[in-house]
Amino acid sequence: EAAVTQSPRSKVAVTGGKVTLSCHQTNNHDYMYWYRQDTGHGLRLIHYSYVADSTEKGDIPDGYKASRPSQENFSLILELASLSQTAVYFCASSEPGQGVQDTQYFGPGTRLLVL
Amino acid sequence: GDSVTQTEGPVTVSESESLIINCTYSATSIAYPNLFWYVRYPGEGLQLLLKVITAGQKGSSRGFEATYNKETTSFHLQKASVQESDSAVYYCALGDLAGANTGKLTFGHGTILRVHP
Repeated sequence: EAAVTQSPRSKVAVTGGKVTLSCHQTNNHDYMYWYRQDTGHGLRLIHYSYVADSTEKGDIPDGYKASRPSQENFSLILELASLSQTAVYFCASSEPGQGVQDTQYFGPGTRLLVL
Repeated sequence: GDSVTQTEGPVTVSESESLIINCTYSATSIAYPNLFWYVRYPGEGLQLLLKVITAGQKGSSRGFEATYNKETTSFHLQKASVQESDSAVYYCALGDLAGANTGKLTFGHGTILRVHP
């Protein structure tokens, strides 16, 4: 059974509208991440979280908010969606160990089209 | 800043041929880089293919190999004989073993691999 799930899997949104992407993990991991991928680019980190009720800005946070209400759930919020936010969004979880970069486990992605 | 550069795709090979996907990295803010290859099959999320945390070491999985070369800052992915089921997108990634960026990864843009029967 998939340990990281995302919803919705695809979405069409209108410019200026609000979009919420949800992520749920059953790995019991403390760390969760939101990435976006655009054609020709690698995954870029938007927000991440080390613990419930706390989020951190990643490399490209502008235009996005994040919410981590519990260890299992991590949401990405686009308050005013824009055309430039059309992309595929990936959620991931991990549990970095003592001095070891641990594996990140990814969801299947959400394809967002903003019109 | 930190960055990862990998072979531009798509890469097209025939079944049973050998494969190499190049990956080079720049780790200007990372004290102890460690390196990963992830793979994304159609309709699925990324999954770890292999990782190496120590320079000079080789990682291997599912017939794929990659050696962490600190001198050339490279982590090329190789396979001696590909199968059609290897068709996927391959991502090279750079992590921070023990520094302030622990937990974060820097990804390359991904290389599409198409294997023809």
